[in-house]
Amino acid sequence: NAGVTQTPKFQVLKTGQSMTLQCAQDMNHNSMYWYRQDPGMGLRLIYYSASEGTTDKGEVPNGYNVSRLNKREFSLRLESAAPSQTSVYFCASSSSQGANVLTFGAGSRLTVL
Amino acid sequence: DQQVKQNSPSLSVQEGRISILNCDYTNSMFDYFLWYKKYPAEGPTFLISISSIKDKNEDGRFTVFLNKSAKHLSLHIVPSQPGDSAVYFCAAPAGGTSYGKLTFGQGTILTVHP
Repeated sequence: NAGVTQTPKFQVLKTGQSMTLQCAQDMNHNSMYWYRQDPGMGLRLIYYSASEGTTDKGEVPNGYNVSRLNKREFSLRLESAAPSQTSVYFCASSSSQGANVLTFGAGSRLTVL
Repeated sequence: DQQVKQNSPSLSVQEGRISILNCDYTNSMFDYFLWYKKYPAEGPTFLISISSIKDKNEDGRFTVFLNKSAKHLSLHIVPSQPGDSAVYFCAAPAGGTSYGKLTFGQGTILTVHP
């Protein structure tokens, strides 16, 4: 049982480059989320998807786009990376019954030079 | 505007003793709180939660206390074990229909020494 799988685990980008972080869950969860973790800031919500076909902005959405490809997959895209987007990114999912109990992936560490 | 705050960046305790991790919040609309635990190179994992209708919830060695009047919650770990060494985050959902949209504290690094 893989849970939530994120790829890649590590990525180095130059300013202005684009990339997509991939996330997939195998728990048949309805809701999926992207958070970023920065030192001294805890985790902050970037975007979320309450159900397949819907997405909405979280606390820090600027510079990001998301796609809920199907019930399993939720991707995060940086169109033009900036050094301020250097962070660790976590994808998470939750069921309808336990909506506040999130299952997180292992994280993707992104460095923008 | 940090609505959930963990003012202690780190805590060090001896194995077998009690660990107390603290969390304060400013939004009186919060009615549910969670604690997550995070090991290095892993994602956070759910540990324990408490509803605002309770003032205590216990699960094995872990107990969460909620003081609504003080807008304060704490996580007690008794007895502490070296395997408890991790970063602990408190979190609260935004409320209403915002299930899963959690606001996290900054985290507290717990180190349990053998």
